[in-house]
Amino acid sequence: RKEVEQDPGPFNVPEGATVAFNCTYSNSASQSFFWYRQDCRKEPKLLMSVYSSGNEDGRFTAQLNRASQYISLLIRDSKLSDSATYLCVVNRAAGNKLTFGGGTRVLVKP
Amino acid sequence: NAGVTQTPKFQVLKTGQSMTLQCAQDMNHNSMYWYRQDPGMGLRLIYYSASEGTTDKGEVPNGYNVSRLNKREFSLRLESAAPSQTSVYFCASSDGGAGNTIYFGEGSWLTVV
Repeated sequence: RKEVEQDPGPFNVPEGATVAFNCTYSNSASQSFFWYRQDCRKEPKLLMSVYSSGNEDGRFTAQLNRASQYISLLIRDSKLSDSATYLCVVNRAAGNKLTFGGGTRVLVKP
Repeated sequence: NAGVTQTPKFQVLKTGQSMTLQCAQDMNHNSMYWYRQDPGMGLRLIYYSASEGTTDKGEVPNGYNVSRLNKREFSLRLESAAPSQTSVYFCASSDGGAGNTIYFGEGSWLTVV
């Protein structure tokens, strides 16, 4: 089993709709969680950190469920520019080695 | 603002050739990383350096060597390139804390024929 797993998608989303997807992690010792965005042929960039109580940044909401060991990302009022691959990233404090999921591809269509 | 700079951006190698990917960061970060990204595989850690003078193996170190030349620079060397090393390579850096953001270079597209 991979340490961090994501549904690869693609999630085809009508413009203006809401889309949500999860990422599961296997190591219960994981301490930090992030969502990164990666555009085609570009480097990953931080979208948002994920806090225990959940957090929101504009149209994006991230949640952490430690009991079930998953994090989620919800995008409201999807824009065409939200089309990208969203990478789930998990960090164990020891060694500070980030583990990346394979990414979830989102395609927002007019 | 340069951030993380890596060179070259594109390279074609013949099997058995050697090359070095260069990476430099100007953010005074302690930790630096080399990842490779293959379709469907996500980003996999090759080597990382938690601080100047230290390097450690990641998930897929075989066939690679690294040098943390100073705090700014972290190079990745392929001694004898193989077609299986065809990939996109990303250098990255962070402050080193568990919750710190990691910043990536723009990537190096390497093809081994």
